[in-house]
Amino acid sequence: AQSVTQLDSQVPVFEEAPVELRCNYSSSVSVYLFWYVQYPNQGLQLLLKYLSGSTLVKGINGFEAEFNKSQTSFHLRKPSVHISDTAEYFCATFTGGGNKLTFGTGTQLKVEL
Amino acid sequence: GAGVSQTPSNKVTEKGKYVELRCDPISGHTALYWYRQSLGQGPEFLIYFQGTGAADDSGLPNDRFFAVRPEGSVSTLKIQRTERGDSAVYLCASSLTHARQGARDTQYFGPGTRLTVL
Repeated sequence: AQSVTQLDSQVPVFEEAPVELRCNYSSSVSVYLFWYVQYPNQGLQLLLKYLSGSTLVKGINGFEAEFNKSQTSFHLRKPSVHISDTAEYFCATFTGGGNKLTFGTGTQLKVEL
Repeated sequence: GAGVSQTPSNKVTEKGKYVELRCDPISGHTALYWYRQSLGQGPEFLIYFQGTGAADDSGLPNDRFFAVRPEGSVSTLKIQRTERGDSAVYLCASSLTHARQGARDTQYFGPGTRLTVL
């Protein structure tokens, strides 16, 4: 079954520094990959998704992710973070024949001054 | 336009009681999903509807859990004989379609209902 693994449970970073949140997937078939963000006491919001085509995907709020087939990775990056980026980030993939999302365990990004 | 809404935002109940959680999807969205998020975990799939029918309920943990969507819009997740282990945030999402069709399959999430079983 398709799944995703988020390697870091917490990532502390200073404001205006770059950040990378790691996600690895396991699949031998077509891959659909997503990054969602969850702000405190709010629902999940889609940051970006990869379906096919260009391996560099740009999303909202200045985030981007690169699909790397050889390393089975889909890491999320931002060149300069803001305090407002403090949130939980989830990598996800479609599972099975329908559109069930399977999520990773999440990475808590904490941006400090 | 309005997003996905869920009521109540918080529900505290006692073990053994029955609860109903409601989801109002985005107007026109035919697909509706329920997920459960336990503390410190990512959301886990429970069930999804295409129209009025449950297309996949493989994630429901046991027969105490049931969901309906009688008119193809609002959905209700029902939990009988609640247990402390049912405590979690229950998330609802909707999408234009269940098929994998680029932007049309993007799932939009509600804020969730936090269920606490004492």
